[in-house]
Amino acid sequence: GEDVEQSLFLSVREGDSSVINCTYTDSSSTYLYWYKQEPGAGLQLLTYIFSNMDMKQDQRLTVLLNKKDKHLSLRIADTQTGDSAIYFCAEIHGSSNTGKLIFGQGTTLQVKP
Amino acid sequence: DGGITQSPKYLFRKEGQNVTLSCEQNLNHDAMYWYRQDPGQGLRLIYYSQIVNDFQKGDIAEGYSVSREKKESFPLTVTSAQKNPTAFYLCASSSDSYSGNTIYFGEGSWLTVV
Repeated sequence: GEDVEQSLFLSVREGDSSVINCTYTDSSSTYLYWYKQEPGAGLQLLTYIFSNMDMKQDQRLTVLLNKKDKHLSLRIADTQTGDSAIYFCAEIHGSSNTGKLIFGQGTTLQVKP
Repeated sequence: DGGITQSPKYLFRKEGQNVTLSCEQNLNHDAMYWYRQDPGQGLRLIYYSQIVNDFQKGDIAEGYSVSREKKESFPLTVTSAQKNPTAFYLCASSSDSYSGNTIYFGEGSWLTVV
């Protein structure tokens, strides 16, 4: 079946790099997404990666995809206190025509000054 | 500005009442979705609509109903049959429902049973 797993909590110091990890089970996933959710707010799309890519970089964000291990990571360079939020990994698989996203449980990132 | 508007932000429901959450988008998107979020969990799909006048059940549709009479609107009714409705509800839309099109979310609505 479809499943997406994330660790629940990560704490880093301001200025350090953060790495949030995600594993998924659906080998037919075509797109994988990272969303950010601040308290009491909706989800903000941060970035996404197509399954035929290994890496995507966008300013402070680097996404790495290991398709063989079904592992996705999000690296945030020079983490700031404003990066404190819940980060969701999500996948949409190739056989789906519903646009249905499968979400992980979310990783709470705490950034200490 | 283009976007997805959900209302109300906070809603209280008495036992046995039906309540309706509004979702409006001006992005000209064909597909719209309703998700439910519980603390410490990811989002779960309630209903989705790929086109006007059509919608399908998601993973947790029991106790909910929707309509899609207009392209820009996809209201969700939480009925009295939903036994545990207290949650954060998120509406989303995308230009179509096929892979590769990003899905955008509204700011969410908090529903509490009193």
